[in-house]
Amino acid sequence: AQSVTQLDSQVPVFEEAPVELRCNYSSSVSVYLFWYVQYPNQGLQLLLKYLSGSTLVKGINGFEAEFNKSQTSFHLRKPSVHISDTAEYFCAVSKGDTGTASKLTFGTGTRLQVTL
Amino acid sequence: EPEVTQTPSHQVTQMGQEVILRCVPISNHLYFYWYRQILGQKVEFLVSFYNNEISEKSEIFDDQFSVERPDGSNFTLKIRSTKLEDSAMYFCASSTPQGMSNQPQHFGDGTRLSIL
Repeated sequence: AQSVTQLDSQVPVFEEAPVELRCNYSSSVSVYLFWYVQYPNQGLQLLLKYLSGSTLVKGINGFEAEFNKSQTSFHLRKPSVHISDTAEYFCAVSKGDTGTASKLTFGTGTRLQVTL
Repeated sequence: EPEVTQTPSHQVTQMGQEVILRCVPISNHLYFYWYRQILGQKVEFLVSFYNNEISEKSEIFDDQFSVERPDGSNFTLKIRSTKLEDSAMYFCASSTPQGMSNQPQHFGDGTRLSIL
C-alpha cells in the first residue's frame, strides 16, 4: 500500500516570494507521483506528474517538483507566487505498474495562502 | 479541452433515501473512478471501473454503493439507504486515452452530497 504525507497543512506566503510545499510518500513498489490543485468550489486540476525519466518535472502555472527517491519526497516549488495561486494543493501517488491505471492515494493537502 | 462533467453540483437527500450521482467522463477514456472528500479530510478512493466491471474498490465501497456505465457516455455512483456520514464531495475521474498507458486522471468539479 502507498501513503502520502504533506507536512504543512497551511503555508502563508507573500506575493512574489518563493514557496515550497512538502510531500513525502511511502511505498513498497515503484510509484508515479502527482500534484493536483483545487481552487474554491472546483475539482482537482493536475499541476504536474512524475512517471519516469528526469527527476525535475515542470508543470503548469510555473510550478515544478523534484522526485527524490532516496528521501521519498516530491516537493512542489514555485520561484515567485501570485495571488491567484491561493488554493489547496494535493500530493498523490499511484502504483507504477506499466499498462494499468491504479488508484490515487492523496495526502491531506496544503492550503497555500498568498497575500500582498 | 475535453473535461469530466458531473451532475448535480449539489444534492440534498433525506437519510435512508437512495441517491445517484452522475458523471460524463472524457469521451475516449477507458478508466473511470469515484473518490470522495469528507469536509476537512483528504480525498479518498472509492472505486475504479474498466471494461464494464469494477477493477478495484476500497473498504469504504461496501454493499451500500454500486457503479454503472448504463450507456456509452455516463458513469454513475448509486448510494442506497444513505447515512449522515455519506455527506461529502464526490469526485468522478477518468484516465488513459485509448492507445496510451498511465496517463493522469482528470477530475470533474464534484457533487456535494448533503444528507439530512
